[in-house]
Amino acid sequence: AQKITQTQPGMFVQEKEAVTLDCTYDTSDPSYGLFWYKQPSSGEMIFLIYQGSYDQQNATEGRYSLNFQKARKSANLVISASQLGDSAMYFCAMRELPHSGAGSYQLTFGKGTKLSVIP
Amino acid sequence: DGGITQSPKYLFRKEGQNVTLSCEQNLNHDAMYWYRQDPGQGLRLIYYSQIVNDFQKGDIAEGYSVSREKKESFPLTVTSAQKNPTAFYLCASSIQGSNEKLFFGSGTQLSVL
Repeated sequence: AQKITQTQPGMFVQEKEAVTLDCTYDTSDPSYGLFWYKQPSSGEMIFLIYQGSYDQQNATEGRYSLNFQKARKSANLVISASQLGDSAMYFCAMRELPHSGAGSYQLTFGKGTKLSVIP
Repeated sequence: DGGITQSPKYLFRKEGQNVTLSCEQNLNHDAMYWYRQDPGQGLRLIYYSQIVNDFQKGDIAEGYSVSREKKESFPLTVTSAQKNPTAFYLCASSIQGSNEKLFFGSGTQLSVL
């Protein structure tokens, strides 16, 4: 089963409007972290926002906010006041803690959503 | 400026040839990672390393090899055993910790001639 699911292969949004990119995740661990990255056509992955599983409030970073619904296991990214430069691929990712305390902290990524901002 | 440098940006491999992708970081991060990205897909983990002289296989390690002789460097070799090497390869690093984000390089596009 996929650990990270992004159900929207592509999205369109009018410039200056808000848009929500969906992400659901699957884990049985109580402690985990959720990340959103932006990948423009240049290829580099740019960190946008982070939400810890124990965080009481939704994370916000400028125009980005994360709508974290723990019971539903969803971590949707909300971009307010879209700009042309927001056109890119967006990836949701999860980091689970190793059970033993040792091991890696690698991220597991979803397949991404391609966002296109229309002038 | 601190960051991660990947080279080359584009690389071509002939049949039966091994090629090495470079990844250097000056962020003083302990952990480094290699991911593979295919068109329309997310990133899949190839190898990761938490400390010098130690590394572990990720989800798709077959046909790849790595070394970690220095903290700053984590080169990836795509061997002739990797039958479908055409992909975009991303190197990343992070501070060790549960909520530390990954910093990524700008990637290498590998194609087969």
